[in-house]
Amino acid sequence: GAGVSQSPRYKVAKRGQDVALRCDPISGHVSLFWYQQALGQGPEFLTYFQNEAQLDKSGLPSDRFFAERPEGSVSTLKIQRTQQEDSAVYLCASSPRYGPTEAFFGQGTRLTVV
Amino acid sequence: AQTVTQSQPEMSVQEAETVTLSCTYDTSESDYYLFWYKQPPSRQMILVIRQEAYKQQNATENRFSVNFQKAAKSFSLKISDSQLGDAAMYFCAYNGYNNNDMRFGAGTRLTVKP
Repeated sequence: GAGVSQSPRYKVAKRGQDVALRCDPISGHVSLFWYQQALGQGPEFLTYFQNEAQLDKSGLPSDRFFAERPEGSVSTLKIQRTQQEDSAVYLCASSPRYGPTEAFFGQGTRLTVV
Repeated sequence: AQTVTQSQPEMSVQEAETVTLSCTYDTSESDYYLFWYKQPPSRQMILVIRQEAYKQQNATENRFSVNFQKAAKSFSLKISDSQLGDAAMYFCAYNGYNNNDMRFGAGTRLTVKP
């Protein structure tokens, strides 16, 4: 596809369940970002990959959050033992350059923890 | 830490009229990027316009232009000849020159009245 693709678009998880969110970036893009967007708020940075290297994970809110990009393309954001405060839209973005200055965003995954 | 403030939670404009969305930011850096993103109900963040802080000339993209006041740390977005398709959430964002985490404001919901 031409754009950043995220799946699933919607996910409902029971509290305590583990979830995995997928991001397919634009082919050839070296940079990949994950953001968390709570209802009525702007996105907040979670983590940054340059190819397969996770260079910045300072925004991950707890050790229950884990992200990987093993081959420098597809990325997965995993949340273990989900809690209600994890309910949010999770946005993925990719960029052909280092850093987010030319970032293209996906449509996000809306996670609801019940 | 850098912060981005959007003081207008909601704005309304008549079709074909002009509207200005406000944004201020706080930073101690001299080199950085500023962005305006549009987020329609589909949730995908779409880049509207980008400004590099070292450029004194205000960026313009068709009907969209900015008023960048570096000393005042202000970055407003002007939409001319508003169209129904402009209705969306608009987010102002800041990115330090060598940083990976883009910081977003809380957003302004723009309504366009026919």
